[in-house]
Parts: sequence; structure tokens; C-alpha cells
Amino acid sequence: AQTVTQSQPEMSVQEAETVTLSCTYDTSESDYYLFWYKQPPSRQMILVIRQEAYKQQNATENRFSVNFQKAAKSFSLKISDSQLGDAAMYFCAYRPHNSNSGYALNFGKGTSLLVTP
Amino acid sequence: DTEVTQTPKHLVMGMTNKKSLKCEQHMGHRAMYWYKQKAKKPPELMFVYSYEKLSINESVPSRFSPECPNSSLLNLHLHALQPEDSALYLCASSQEEGTPYEKLFFGSGTQLSVL
Repeated sequence: AQTVTQSQPEMSVQEAETVTLSCTYDTSESDYYLFWYKQPPSRQMILVIRQEAYKQQNATENRFSVNFQKAAKSFSLKISDSQLGDAAMYFCAYRPHNSNSGYALNFGKGTSLLVTP
Repeated sequence: DTEVTQTPKHLVMGMTNKKSLKCEQHMGHRAMYWYKQKAKKPPELMFVYSYEKLSINESVPSRFSPECPNSSLLNLHLHALQPEDSALYLCASSQEEGTPYEKLFFGSGTQLSVL
């Protein structure tokens, strides 16, 4: 079974600064997909960014980027120029390429991000 | 319309009640999902419907009964629940079930309290 570990239960960042959220995972698969989802107080899960394991290039979406280290099984999220609206719970998630479980997302326990003015 | 709409937003029910949660999307998605999320925990997959057929049941107790009457609607029927079933129930949809890179669109959930 694959496991996803987020070792930082809480993080804090000042507005306009940069913060990095950590995620490691354990898998024996060579092909898989990694995601960061955000859950603000509205409770709606929102996709922030995604990465295909066979792509070496790190994914980027505006102020959000990842540092994907396949050998180290690490998938950290960097948020640049943090904004108050970035305050949320962030979940790292793993999804296998081939699965008998309907490609269910396997979530980490989450990191609560606080953004201070 | 890129929304997944869930009703009601909040629900309080007794252990002998029967109630239903509803989920609706009009994005033409053919896969729909129910997740359960306890406080300060990640979501856990309960059911997956693909083309209106139940494809995944993650060993969920029979007191939870899903239904997909058409491609836009997903219901979760609740009966004889236990207090430990109190949680946020999230609905999600995606274009297809079998494309693992796909983005899931989530609703805002129904916060359920079982007394």
C-alpha cells in the first residue's frame, strides 16, 4: 500500500513571503501521479497543482510550484508571494497509474497553513 | 458551470432517522465519488460511480446506500447511523474514472451530525 506523509501539521508565513510544504510518499510503483489539494474554510477541496511521475520537469501554476524528487520520493509545494487567501489546509495526494481501486486518491494528513498580514 | 453542488450543507439526524444527501454536477462528468472526512483528517473514499454504475465500494457499512439516478445526480441514503458517522461528506466528479491524472472537482460538503 502506498503511504503519503506530511510531516508539518502547521505552518505559518507572512504575506508576500515564500513558504514550502513538505510531502514524502512510499511506493513500489514507477508510474504514478502526485497532487496538492487545498481545503479553505469553505471546505471545498481545490486542486492546486499536479505532477506526473515520468516527467522530470517540475510543475508550476502561477505562484505555486513543486520540487519533485523521484529518487527521494519527495514532492514539496512552494508558494511564492503568499496571500491571505492562501490560508487553508493543504493535502498532498498520490494516485497510482494502474489500480484496482478506481484510481482513488491517497491523501496525506494535511498541513494547516496560516498567512499573517 | 464548473460546480459540484451538495445539499443540504448541514444535517442533524437521530440514529433511527432516514435521510439523504444530494450531489449534482452539470459538467458532463461521467465519474462521481463520495468521500467521508472526519475533523482534522484527510478525506477517505467511500464509493465511486462510473457511467452511473457503482464501480468501487470501499467496504462501507450497509447503513450508507449510494444511488446514481442519472449522470448528473448522486445521492447517499442514510439509515440507522451511529454517532461515529458524524463527519463532513464530500461529493466529487471527474470526466472519467480511469484517467489517473484527472482533476477531481469537489463540492463544499454536507456536515452531518448523528445524535
